[in-house]
Amino acid sequence: GAGVSQSPRYKVAKRGQDVALRCDPISGHVSLFWYQQALGQGPEFLTYFQNEAQLDKSGLPSDRFFAERPEGSVSTLKIQRTQQEDSAVYLCASSLGGLEGYTFGSGTRLTVV
Amino acid sequence: SQQGEEDPQALSIQEGENATMNCSYKTSINNLQWYRQNSGRGLVHLILIRSNEREKHSGRLRVTLDTSKKSSSLLITASRAADTASYFCATVFQGAQKLVFGQGTRLTINP
Repeated sequence: GAGVSQSPRYKVAKRGQDVALRCDPISGHVSLFWYQQALGQGPEFLTYFQNEAQLDKSGLPSDRFFAERPEGSVSTLKIQRTQQEDSAVYLCASSLGGLEGYTFGSGTRLTVV
Repeated sequence: SQQGEEDPQALSIQEGENATMNCSYKTSINNLQWYRQNSGRGLVHLILIRSNEREKHSGRLRVTLDTSKKSSSLLITASRAADTASYFCATVFQGAQKLVFGQGTRLTINP
C-alpha cells in the first residue's frame, strides 16, 4: 500500500486480557519498528525487525510483550495479561533500511480498563 | 534512556513569525531526523540531516546540526496556523538502526 497501515485504530481491553496489534508496512520495506507513546511523551522504542529477523527487542518492557514478523512483511505486537500501565499509543514504522526517514502508521490507541 | 532533550517544551507564536526549536543528544550519531505529529495522528517525517552535514533546507524548514555541541535546531519560517503540532527530533546512533526520540516541542501558531 501507499502507507503504513495499523489496526485496530482503537482498542479497549479489560485488565488481564490479551491483545494483538497489527502493522502492514509499505511493500518492500525491509525494516520495521514498534514504538510506544504515552500521552504527552515522545515515542519509546520497543523492537526492530529486519525482514523476518527480530534484531533488537531491548525496548520491550516485560515478557508480556511479544512481537513477530514471520514472513518479513506484516507484523503483530502481542501484549499478554494487559495492565493499566500498558495504556498508550502503539506506533509502527517501516523503512527501506537505508539512510532515509521512516514512515509511521497512525498508531493503535490502547486503553486498558 | 538515551533520549535527547528538546527545548522549549512548548512554544506559542503569532502567524507569520519564525519558530525555532532545539534538540540536544548524548552520543555520536549517524543521522538526526525531525518529525511532526498532529494531535491524535502518526508522525510525519520532515527532514533528515547526516552527521557530516551542517545545514539542510526543505521549503520553509531549515535544520542545523552541530556535532561538536551535540545539538540541532529546526527553524520554521513564516509560520502558518497549519504548522500547529508537536515536533520531535530523533537520532540514529552510530552502529544502530532504531530512532531515539526526544520529548518534543508543542508548537502553537496563533492566527
